[in-house]
Amino acid sequence: NAGVTQTPKFQVLKTGQSMTLQCAQDMNHNSMYWYRQDPGMGLRLIYYSASEGTTDKGEVPNGYNVSRLNKREFSLRLESAAPSQTSVYFCASSEKAGGWKYFGPGTRLTVT
Amino acid sequence: AQSVTQPDIHITVSEGASLELRCNYSYGATPYLFWYVQSPGQGLQLLLKYFSGDTLVQGIKGFEAEFKRSQSSFNLRKPSVHWSDAAEYFCAVGAPEGQNFVFGPGTRLSVLP
Repeated sequence: NAGVTQTPKFQVLKTGQSMTLQCAQDMNHNSMYWYRQDPGMGLRLIYYSASEGTTDKGEVPNGYNVSRLNKREFSLRLESAAPSQTSVYFCASSEKAGGWKYFGPGTRLTVT
Repeated sequence: AQSVTQPDIHITVSEGASLELRCNYSYGATPYLFWYVQSPGQGLQLLLKYFSGDTLVQGIKGFEAEFKRSQSSFNLRKPSVHWSDAAEYFCAVGAPEGQNFVFGPGTRLSVLP
């Protein structure tokens, strides 16, 4: 039982490049989330998916897109990376709305 | 809308000393409250949660937290800190049927030998 896994762990992009962050959970959870963590700001929600086939914007969605591929997988795409997107990205899942969230180990992204 | 403040950015305590990390929240009804811990380079691990009932909740690693509605607080405590407790601690508030948590900015804990 791996919990929540994320790939890659580290990534360096040049401004304007695109990439997709992958997330998978093996707990049969309905809800999945993408957060970004910046120093002194805690974690901020980018997008979430309440169930397979649905996605919704969070607090800071601009510049990102997501896909809930199936119940297990939820990917985050940066179409044209900007230096402001340098951050640590965490995927999380929960069994239901309001429930506590299980977090993955994070992806550290640097955009130069 | 929910909000969370953690007044202390960085706290240093000696090993064996007691610890209290402060968390204040803003929410119109009874919230769901959480404390998470993050070790360097790691993801977040749930320490404890409050949904309803007993206002003193016990968590893992010897931590506890007390929900005080009158003070809109959910402070985290530990009677005797271990060197391995050095980490960053995040308080979060959520709505019972809501998808999002709002996280506080975090408190970094350093432990002196």
